[in-house]
Amino acid sequence: AQSVTQPDIHITVSEGASLELRCNYSYGATPYLFWYVQSPGQGLQLLLKYFSGDTLVQGIKGFEAEFKRSQSSFNLRKPSVHWSDAAEYFCAVGADNQGGKLIFGQGTELSVKP
Amino acid sequence: KAGVTQTPRYLIKTRGQQVTLSCSPISGHRSVSWYQQTPGQGLQFLFEYFSETQRNKGNFPGRFSGRQFSNSRSEMNVSTLELGDSALYLCASSLGPQGASSPLHFGNGTRLTVT
Repeated sequence: AQSVTQPDIHITVSEGASLELRCNYSYGATPYLFWYVQSPGQGLQLLLKYFSGDTLVQGIKGFEAEFKRSQSSFNLRKPSVHWSDAAEYFCAVGADNQGGKLIFGQGTELSVKP
Repeated sequence: KAGVTQTPRYLIKTRGQQVTLSCSPISGHRSVSWYQQTPGQGLQFLFEYFSETQRNKGNFPGRFSGRQFSNSRSEMNVSTLELGDSALYLCASSLGPQGASSPLHFGNGTRLTVT
């Protein structure tokens, strides 16, 4: 069955510290991978996407993610977290033959300590 | 360019009633997808429309339906509301028809509360 797992429900980091949010997927076809961020009361904003090619992808707001096929992982990283990064982060997987249907992980809530 | 617009932002309904939610996609986007977000189930795909045709459907009962108009605007309808239908309903648009390679752009959602 297709699934996305985000093992960490809640993470707290200090401002200025590095961040890594984990994402593992199970998907039969060649996956398209996404990270979205959601602030309270808002919709989802696309941070970055991976379709093919270079396994390290850069996104907005200084985020990057690395696709590791052997580990079925697509972890999100940021070298220095800002207080404004506090939000919920969702990893998602899709495929061309699935159109707009994405499978989302349960999300990781990020808190940032001053 | 204006983003995805969902109306209304908040809605309170009573069990047994029906509700219609509206979504206006980004100009030029022809695909509209709907998602339900709840604390327990997370984000779940409802359905997708492209060029007025339903292209994909999630595992929701027939009480959930949708449609798309020729201007790509979309509506979703939930009939015979149940308490468990309380959720944030998110609409997303994309250029289409490239499938997942055309990323989704989400609206801010409609918060439906069923009492």
